[in-house]
Amino acid sequence: EVQLVESGGGLVQPGGSLRLSCAASGFTFSSYWMSWVRQAPGKGLEWVAYIKEDGSEKKYVDSVKGRFTISRDNAKNSLYLQMNSLRAEDTAVYYCARDRSRFYYWGQGTLVTVSS
Amino acid sequence: QSALTQPASVSGSPGQSITISCTGTSSDVGGYNYVSWYQQHPGKAPKLMIYEVSNRPSGVPDRFSGSKSGNTASLTISGLQAEDEADYYCCSYTSTKTVIFGGGTKLTVL
Repeated sequence: EVQLVESGGGLVQPGGSLRLSCAASGFTFSSYWMSWVRQAPGKGLEWVAYIKEDGSEKKYVDSVKGRFTISRDNAKNSLYLQMNSLRAEDTAVYYCARDRSRFYYWGQGTLVTVSS
Repeated sequence: QSALTQPASVSGSPGQSITISCTGTSSDVGGYNYVSWYQQHPGKAPKLMIYEVSNRPSGVPDRFSGSKSGNTASLTISGLQAEDEADYYCCSYTSTKTVIFGGGTKLTVL
């Protein structure tokens, strides 16, 4: 059974940093692109970033470029999102999802709240 | 990049059919057959309903169908059921190698 489990969310002050993790199981992690998608409270879905199977290609939504970094450790079956210079508008539930644009599997999400 | 355009809400009675539109540009919806649709119930993670414009993942009822014409994709739900009440989002790959979602449509089953 495919499972994606996010962790690392929480309350952080504006300008602060947070690192999200996504533990994958039930499939060959190193064979799939992986993505982060977020959803602000009461708002719609927003794609954040994706990373190629071997980590050689990464793409970001414009609003997080230069602040967020997506990475992966295929030996640990894990996906990460390093978030720096956080802003109030980054407050959202962050989901990890398998693949680049056909998101068949999703995690349960982890809530990031940016507030003073 | 602006979100793909979806109606904020649609409604229908049980047994009826509804269609949700998703309008983009030639740089996203119109340029690629990588359009997908997601259903999201409150407090839950999204669920893939349609991928690559018109393909249904296993387990998704054939009441759900997708299509595309020009820069507009559509999701049609026939034989509407109470459990179909949810938010629906379209999604497309883009010419800048990014991914974009629609603003979402709230489906109410009357």
